Amino acid sequence: DPKIIQKPKYLVAVTGSEKILICEQYLGHNAMYWYRQSAKKPLEFMFSYSYQKLMDNQTASSRFQPQSSKKNHLDLQITALKPDDSATYFCASSQDPNLSNERLFFGHGTKLSVL
Amino acid sequence: GQQVQQSPASLVLQEGENAELQCNFSTSLNSMQWFYQRPEGSLVSLFYNPSGTKQSGRLTSTTVIKERRSSLHISSSQITDSGTYLCAMVDNTNTGKLTFGDGTVLTVKP
Repeated sequence: DPKIIQKPKYLVAVTGSEKILICEQYLGHNAMYWYRQSAKKPLEFMFSYSYQKLMDNQTASSRFQPQSSKKNHLDLQITALKPDDSATYFCASSQDPNLSNERLFFGHGTKLSVL
Repeated sequence: GQQVQQSPASLVLQEGENAELQCNFSTSLNSMQWFYQRPEGSLVSLFYNPSGTKQSGRLTSTTVIKERRSSLHISSSQITDSGTYLCAMVDNTNTGKLTFGDGTVLTVKP
């Protein structure tokens, strides 16, 4: 029974289009994140939110916009899609953004392919 | 250069053998975490380990923060241990950012 739900699991998009990746967590956590895993690259931090406020943004492009409508939701809107955006996008959450003594829990990911 | 270096890049074991995975960090860090990525891609938290040794079943994590290194020991490996083991550093910004290594791909054969 997954506690972090990502939708969809697979997504195919055409270059230039816009997509929204959905993430909901039912762990009662206060912090949520987005990570990206591209082929042959390490898992890469994108955004962190705590109590629905942006904590950190390591994404250079404004085409990636997180959206938090509720405390347990953190969606990711991607505009003007490019083939280089093809990757698996993981949503994650933790009780607190100080991860020195907190576990980070991941969703199963959305695999995005941009043609 | 890469902040988190993992070794070896890949490892093949016979079932029952032990494994030692290493993680080295090029910058100072507050803590580190180990994850297991299943062959189908999902990620499982194994340890968060700011210092010292932690054990969970057949897995033992040892972190020496001052020396910027951590290791993961897997004893009596099983076929189901196959997958990718990732380490990640926690910096001092407290923004929830983890910086990951490339991982060690472990294959356990019968």
